[in-house]
Amino acid sequence: DTGVSQDPRHKITKRGQNVTFRCDPISEHNRLYWYRQTLGQGPEFLTYFQNEAQLEKSRLLSDRFSAERPKGSFSTLEIQRTEQGDSAMYLCASSLGLAGLKDTQYFGPGTRLTVL
Amino acid sequence: AQKITQTQPGMFVQEKEAVTLDCTYDTSDQSYGLFWYKQPSSGEMIFLIYQGSYDEQNATEGRYSLNFQKARKSANLVISASQLGDSAMYFCAMREGHISNFGNEKLTFGTGTRLTIIP
Repeated sequence: DTGVSQDPRHKITKRGQNVTFRCDPISEHNRLYWYRQTLGQGPEFLTYFQNEAQLEKSRLLSDRFSAERPKGSFSTLEIQRTEQGDSAMYLCASSLGLAGLKDTQYFGPGTRLTVL
Repeated sequence: AQKITQTQPGMFVQEKEAVTLDCTYDTSDQSYGLFWYKQPSSGEMIFLIYQGSYDEQNATEGRYSLNFQKARKSANLVISASQLGDSAMYFCAMREGHISNFGNEKLTFGTGTRLTIIP
């Protein structure tokens, strides 16, 4: 399978715990994106990387959230001191990084986080 | 104001019929791209079709076509000859901004339409 992969697929944690998610993009893709999707809503942008550089962060990405892409390949998203409001599906996407607006983002299966 | 509006929360369509899913958008940029994604119950967002603001022809990809009306700021998805496997959530999304490698790279999504195909 050469698509975007995410691990774990499901995570249940208690409020106050830290969690870390991993995303492996399509191998030749330079850009990697994180989105969050809550029930009944479309995905909301969190942040994106061009290779290892984090180029944009949403206001949704509070200080408790941090994302890395250390070698320009896989990425991790960490949430510290989780809150019940963090419960959502966390989606990762990647794209080739083509110039222009047609640079299509391909999504992974998501990590569903439940904070008890 | 919502940048992407999908006014149909749910639709039921008979198998083999055509279906149109509505999407209107709001932007002041002249350059923008519009995308449609399908999200089955498994959760993965599947890219379907793209329309650029400067594209003169309506986009088509197999059974999917896009009815792009720039003056009305609408980009409706048309699925011809619907199949049971088309049952899913469908999201319209937009990328705005200047064409550059470091421009506005995020996608802004609507709230989606849940399509159910009836056998």
